[in-house]
Amino acid sequence: GAVVSQHPSWVICKSGTSVKIECRSLDFQATTMFWYRQFPKQSLMLMATSNEGSKATYEQGVEKDKFLINHASLTLSTLTVTSAHPEDSSFYICSAIQREGLRYEQYFGPGTRLTVT
Amino acid sequence: SQQGEEDPQALSIQEGENATMNCSYKTSINNLQWYRQNSGRGLVHLILIRSNEREKHSGRLRVTLDTSKKSSSLLITASRAADTASYFCATDASGSARQLTFGSGTQLTVLP
Repeated sequence: GAVVSQHPSWVICKSGTSVKIECRSLDFQATTMFWYRQFPKQSLMLMATSNEGSKATYEQGVEKDKFLINHASLTLSTLTVTSAHPEDSSFYICSAIQREGLRYEQYFGPGTRLTVT
Repeated sequence: SQQGEEDPQALSIQEGENATMNCSYKTSINNLQWYRQNSGRGLVHLILIRSNEREKHSGRLRVTLDTSKKSSSLLITASRAADTASYFCATDASGSARQLTFGSGTQLTVLP
């Protein structure tokens, strides 16, 4: 199957700083990518839908000014956590949609663990 | 948004036993998928069942779907210690932009 990578796999940052997480589709083009957040021992919660060339669509309760999403190319979406706080510490997972005609498959990245101190 | 509930939340069984996990959802769906997640790791796609299917098998996995009850079950037969993980159902809702809505998950522990 297709491969989606995330970078970095883990990051520790100080409170107040910003952190950028990359999501790449390695062998296919993805017009749509999704960003999920997972707190310890909880399920994945969709944060936003990232569409290439247009603004991201955020889920209710997700601050778009805090979680900046840029889908500048067909293989890369970035999530920037701005002015990070300890409560932003979480596991961030992206997924990318591979479309072939009417068929589509969704592939998940391995996740990025963010720890804000 | 979180629409699925899974039960049990946690399940502990002996190696060789079967494990059954259930998932309920609220809206119409195109398909339902099951994923596995080892602690602190990414998701592994296990199986997808479409809304017009009632049962599907893949190796030691058996998935059922009852759209009238909006529920699904995942059966793992002859469990192994390596099956220890969290299991999530995820629904692809009709008319959605293909984002998945995940259930709350079941933590399965298989004791050797």
